Amino acid sequence: EAGVVQSPRYKIIEKKQPVAFWCNPISGHNTLYWYRQNLGQGPELLIRYENEEAVDDSQLPKDRFSAERLKGVDSTLKIQPAELGDSAVYLCASSLAPTEAFFGQGTRLTVV
Amino acid sequence: AQSVTQLDSQVPVFEEAPVELRCNYSSSVSVYLFWYVQYPNQGLQLLLKYLSGSTLVESINGFEAEFNKSQTSFHLRKPSVHISDTAEYFCAVSAFGNEKLTFGTGTRLTIIP
Repeated sequence: EAGVVQSPRYKIIEKKQPVAFWCNPISGHNTLYWYRQNLGQGPELLIRYENEEAVDDSQLPKDRFSAERLKGVDSTLKIQPAELGDSAVYLCASSLAPTEAFFGQGTRLTVV
Repeated sequence: AQSVTQLDSQVPVFEEAPVELRCNYSSSVSVYLFWYVQYPNQGLQLLLKYLSGSTLVESINGFEAEFNKSQTSFHLRKPSVHISDTAEYFCAVSAFGNEKLTFGTGTRLTIIP
């Protein structure tokens, strides 16, 4: 069974440019999460979806970040425009049960 | 709100020696507790979890963790480490009824041959 798939694995962009990350969760998992992991820190939740609905986006910086989960499967996280402080690893996870989240390998974003 | 403290950012251990990675949490409600492992250039993998019942939980690769409610701790232990255990270990909590995971800052375990 395929795990959570994220792309791209690495992305380098100049500040003020837009960037998008894609996530394909494990088949059948209704819950999808986006986390951000800054260097030397643990992951922090940005947004959680139940099917198509964003049920927790309280930590998402809505002035520049947006996310969508069309048809309750794949999800895209976008930053526009990117800032130097957005450099981090962006992790996608999915779960079927509340107590077992499976993580993708992440996208390492470097803003220069 | 919940918080997690991992006091040790790095732990070097000789191969075949025992190790303990410390985790303390804070929460005003009951929580589930987790340990995740992140091998180099890989994503987070669930190592073990405490939901209820026996306070001692074990993983398939020899790690164990004990939930101590009075000390609000969930320390991770292994009696004999191997080179392959080199990784970063994250402790995490989630409140009952809330699927959000709150992570600690991680402990980098380095095994010395």
